Amino acid sequence: AQKITQTQPGMFVQEKEAVTLDCTYDTSDPSYGLFWYKQPSSGEMIFLIYQGSYDQQNATEGRYSLNFQKARKSANLVISASQLGDSAMYFCAMRENRDDKIIFGKGTRLHILP
Amino acid sequence: DAGVIQSPRHEVTEMGQEVTLRCKPISGHDYLFWYRQTMMRGLELLIYFNNNVPIDDSGMPEDRFSAKMPNASFSTLKIQPSEPRDSAVYFCASSLGGLAGGIQYFGAGTRLSVL
Repeated sequence: AQKITQTQPGMFVQEKEAVTLDCTYDTSDPSYGLFWYKQPSSGEMIFLIYQGSYDQQNATEGRYSLNFQKARKSANLVISASQLGDSAMYFCAMRENRDDKIIFGKGTRLHILP
Repeated sequence: DAGVIQSPRHEVTEMGQEVTLRCKPISGHDYLFWYRQTMMRGLELLIYFNNNVPIDDSGMPEDRFSAKMPNASFSTLKIQPSEPRDSAVYFCASSLGGLAGGIQYFGAGTRLSVL
């Protein structure tokens, strides 16, 4: 069974609109971390935001926020006021406390339209 | 601060040749990970080290692949002999395990083409 599910293979969004990229996860470990990475066309993997399972508040980093709904096992990435430079592949990932490895989803390709 | 440094950025080689990819992790990080990314298979973890010791190499595709970490600031991934199906982008990442969830920081990757 997949541990990280990103159901949107591709999205098209108008510039300046807010974007929500979906991510659901599956784990029985009560302690875990959730991550989002951005991979632009240049290829590098850029860490965006982290949420711990015991964090009381949703993580935010500039225009990025993580909508963490623990009961639903959902960790959606919200990008406010999208920009052309946000066009990229976005990966959701999880690390269970009992493991050193990060498990990545298959990604969502985001296209920002001018 | 310098991030994870990988070299070379691009490598083109012929089938049967030996290929060595290099990685310098972020200073002070105690975990190092090697990944391979292809369109077909996505991002795959090949092997990772903790304090220079290989912990899990179950993702290494076959005996042609080997990885070493002789010290805390250097790791290599070697493919010998290389095959066209090894063509991919290879990433190295490092993290400070246990703290802040063990966020992994990636290098820019090495794009390998085996002809």
